[in-house]
Parts: sequence; structure tokens; C-alpha cells
Amino acid sequence: SQQGEEDPQALSIQEGENATMNCSYKTSINNLQWYRQNSGRGLVHLILIRSNEREKHSGRLRVTLDTSKKSSSLLITASRAADTASYFCATGIGVSGSARQLTFGSGTQLTVLP
Amino acid sequence: DAGVTQSPTHLIKTRGQQVTLRCSPKSGHDTVSWYQQALGQGPQFIFQYYEEEERQRGNFPDRFSGHQFPNYSSELNVNALLLGDSALYLCASSPGTGGRDYGYTFGSGTRLTVV
Repeated sequence: SQQGEEDPQALSIQEGENATMNCSYKTSINNLQWYRQNSGRGLVHLILIRSNEREKHSGRLRVTLDTSKKSSSLLITASRAADTASYFCATGIGVSGSARQLTFGSGTQLTVLP
Repeated sequence: DAGVTQSPTHLIKTRGQQVTLRCSPKSGHDTVSWYQQALGQGPQFIFQYYEEEERQRGNFPDRFSGHQFPNYSSELNVNALLLGDSALYLCASSPGTGGRDYGYTFGSGTRLTVV
């Protein structure tokens, strides 16, 4: 079963606009990671935020985490056509043993129009 | 620096057959995880191998088994294939426990179609 749910399921924006995707999860986590997937191929790790962090930046990416609401958001600024992909949040849950596995949401399909 | 390599890229099998998928982790990584991704869904954790042992398993039947070799490469075996096993199978590697702290490196996957 999926731990998290991304919202929206699909998002279409113009190049240069900002894109915001949200992720909600159900149980306590050690960390939350965001991945990108192009055309049903491999996933690319974008950014990891630990449960004791509230915000993190990496280039044009900004991730926030609200553990009280069990939610996270991914902001992509100044989007480009190359950002078109599916974006997944994944949580590492539990103590060290179970934190070895990642539990993914269903993803947000982002389309950036030129 | 080669990333995670998976083979084959695509595979078509008949229901009831057996299949073996292969994965070579990124250089310097010794932990390999396998995920199944159905069309339109997020990846589902199958199991993880470290030091040639399965150290964690997801909610998959015993038809799914694996192996890790001394060079850290890994195989995923699926017996008695069902139509529902059709999916993209992803291999992910990490150094030790680094995956949960720094993220995983994924391969491009093997697309398995069961007919």
C-alpha cells in the first residue's frame, strides 16, 4: 500500500512558471525524499529532508516538511520544458531496520509547456 | 563513473514461466534494493540485499526471490509468472545504510510483460 499521496495527480504549467507539488504521508518518518522519473524509466534522487528539518534548498528546488501535518511540498522555480516528468515523494519510516525501505506515493505528472 | 546497470531492458514472458533480472550497483555501493512499479503507480519495495543476505522484505510472495553476489551485483527471480507481475522492475543501490540518509541511485529498470 502507498504511504504517501501526491497532490495534484497532474499539473500543467508554462515554461518559466513555478510548480508546486504536495505530499502527505501517514506514519512517523525518519526522512522524506523526492525523486523524478522521466517517461517510466529510472528514478533520479532530487533531495532529502530529515524529520528534524523544516526547509531545504537545492538549485531551483525548495522542499518543506511539516511533521505535525505529515506533509511536504516540492517547489520548482522558473520551470523548464526539461522538468517535464513524474515526481514522487518517498518516506523512510520507523527505526533503523525498517528505514531501509522507501515507501513511495503515486506521483505527480508535471508537464511544462514551452 | 557507471551508475546502476540493469539487464535486460525489456522482456516478454509467458504466464507460468520463470524470469531472472540482473542489476549491477553503482561503483562503491554495496547495498541493492529491488522495486516493482506498476503502470501509473509509485514503486513498491520488494527486498533489499546487503552482504549477500536479504535483510528486509516488502509485502511480496515467495515467488519473488533474490540473490546478491560477492561483487555486490544482484538478481531478482520471479517464479510462476502471473499477468499481474507485468511491471517495471527497478534496482536501487546505496553505500551501506547511506540510502536512508542520502538517497538511492536507481537504474533505468527492466520492463517485464507477462502474456
